[in-house]
Amino acid sequence: DAGITQSPRHKVTETGTPVTLRCHQTENHRYMYWYRQDPGHGLRLIHYSYGVKDTDKGEVSDGYSVSRSKTEDFLLTLESATSSQTSVYFCAISPPGQRHEQYFGPGTRLTVT
Amino acid sequence: GESVGLHLPTLSVQEGDNSIINCAYSNSASDYFIWYKQESGKGPQFIIDIRSNMDKRQGQRVTVLLNKTVKHLSLQIAATQPGDSAVYFCAESMFSGGYNKLIFGAGTRLAVHP
Repeated sequence: DAGITQSPRHKVTETGTPVTLRCHQTENHRYMYWYRQDPGHGLRLIHYSYGVKDTDKGEVSDGYSVSRSKTEDFLLTLESATSSQTSVYFCAISPPGQRHEQYFGPGTRLTVT
Repeated sequence: GESVGLHLPTLSVQEGDNSIINCAYSNSASDYFIWYKQESGKGPQFIIDIRSNMDKRQGQRVTVLLNKTVKHLSLQIAATQPGDSAVYFCAESMFSGGYNKLIFGAGTRLAVHP
C-alpha cells in the first residue's frame, strides 16, 4: 500500500461522538487526500492537503475537518459522528510531479450506530 | 471484506482468456485517465494511466486504449489469472480548484474462473 498506513482499521462509534482517523505515510509526499467509499457512490473526495498546514475542501466535506501538522500525518476528524458517515475511508498520496497518480492506503471501516 | 458495490456489472472470464473492461467518461478537459484495481478489503491499487494526447499505452499484461471521439476508455488484461479477480475502476484526472481532481467510475467486477 505504497508506504501508507491508516488507523484504526475498524471502528464502531455512537452517533454524536467525535472520531479521528489517522493517515501516516513514509514517502514524504506533499499531497495527501481523504476519500470515502460507499456503494452506489464510488470514491468521493472529502479533503486534501498540499503541504503542512495547507488543506482544502473536496466535494463532500460537510461534517469533516482535517489537520496536517507534519508531512507524514494527515488526520480526518468527524466532530460529531452521524449514521450517514458510516463508510469506508481511504487516504491517498501523490508523488511529486505526478499528481494525477494517487496511491491509496488500506482503508478504515467506520460504523456509526 | 467490505462490499465495494452491491450491483456492479460483472465480467466473467475463464482463466487464460483475455479480458476487456470498458469505461465511458464525461469530461473532455480531463488530462489523464487511470485504471485502478480494488481487491476485497483493500484500497484501490494504481494499475496504469494514459495521458489524454495518447490513444494506447501498454504495461505488463495490460493495455489501455483511449478513444476521445466517443469518450471511451478500455483496459485489456492478457492471459487473465485468478489473482486478477477484483473490482476495476476507471478515473478521470483534471486540474481543478487547485488540485488534481479524480472522478471515479462506478466500477466493474472481474470474476476469473479456473
